This record gives sequence, structure tokens and C-alpha cells, in this order.
Amino acid sequence: DIQMTQSPSSLSASVGDRVTIICRASQSIDSYLNWYQQKPGKAPKLLIYAASSLQSGVPSRFSGSGSGTDFTLTISSLQPEDFATYYCQQSYTTPYSFGQGTKLEIK
Amino acid sequence: QVQLQESGPGLVKPSQTLSLTCTVSGGSISSSSHYWSWIRQPAGKGLEWIGRVYADGSTDYNPSLKSRVTVSVDTSKNQFSLKVSSVTAADTAVYYCAGAARSGSYSFFDHWGQGTLVTVSS
Repeated sequence: DIQMTQSPSSLSASVGDRVTIICRASQSIDSYLNWYQQKPGKAPKLLIYAASSLQSGVPSRFSGSGSGTDFTLTISSLQPEDFATYYCQQSYTTPYSFGQGTKLEIK
Repeated sequence: QVQLQESGPGLVKPSQTLSLTCTVSGGSISSSSHYWSWIRQPAGKGLEWIGRVYADGSTDYNPSLKSRVTVSVDTSKNQFSLKVSSVTAADTAVYYCAGAARSGSYSFFDHWGQGTLVTVSS
């Protein structure tokens, strides 16, 4: 099975900051990497698919990059509604797997 | 707009079978552009993919649960279902149904139900 590891596990930042979250796969997954945002009590929401493609309706301040084993999610200028938990997910092979999550909190 | 809604008991006794159904509205479960999955999340923890079903009934499961899990589809009702047998407290979680879009060889969960909490307790 492919293990997904995110860093950091938690992050404090301020509105307007640029934030980067890292996701590493235990083996190469090409660009089969998706990013989700989850707010308390809600289902995850797709942000980025295929490592760098922005899902329709998602603000352009979100971007993704990487291939192989190393990936990043960047939020260029944090907005109040961006404070949430973020998960990466590999769709390279089953069983699909998620990172453990990165909780983004207000500083 | 495609919407998904989970339904089923919120409380299951240990050793019994957990059964959930996901109803898809606003689109056809038979669409070749999607397959359908179950994902769960214990309180305060991360997401675990359980398994998926295609409209033709073919399935894939997470080996960590495979011997206890069945996912099936009923295209006539636009629904798919999850059964987990021999449950224990470790199966207590919020269960999400999700639709995964297929774009070439890529897939991603673009539609989610609101989630339903299932507690395993006597």
C-alpha cells in the first residue's frame, strides 16, 4: 500500500500569509495526487486534482505542484475562510490513501 | 448538480452488520464519468478509503477491510450500498459516500455526501 505523509501536521498563520503544505508518497505516484479541504462537521471539498489542476469554482489563490513522490499545496494569500484541515490523496492505485491531514489555524 | 445522501442506522451492536445506502440525485449513477466510493473518518482522525463500485457492479476494496466489506450498486434506484460485517468499536466513524470523477486515467472525489455517524456499541 502507498503511504501518504503530510507536513506539517498543524500550522498557525495569519490572514494574508502565503502557506505551503507538503505531501510525500512512499513510492512514485506520477501526478495522481488530489488535495481536499475539510471544515469541522463537513465533508471534504476537492481543491486540486492531478497534482496541479484547479477544481472548478475553487479560488485561484490555491495551487498545487509536484510529481513523483513530492507535492505541495500553496495558498498564496490566506483568507479567513481558508482555516481548515487539508488532506492529500493518491489515486495512483488502490487502496486509495490519504495523508493524515494538516490543520491550518489562525495565529 | 449531483448530490449524495447517506442513510442507515446510526447505532449498530458489536458483531452485527453495518448497512448504509447512498442515494444519488441530480445525475445518473450509471454515468461512465464516475465511480462510487465509501470513505470513513473516526472522530478526530483522518480519512480511510473503504471501497468502490462501478455502475456495472465491479468492485475494489481496501485490503484492511476486504474480508468484511461489500459494496453494491442498484442502478434502478440510483443508489449504492455498504455492508460491513462483524463490527467492533473500531468501526465507529463518520461514513461518507462519494462520487469520483474520471478524467482520462485520473480520478478524484468531486461529490460527497454530508456524512453519517455510525456508532458501534451495545
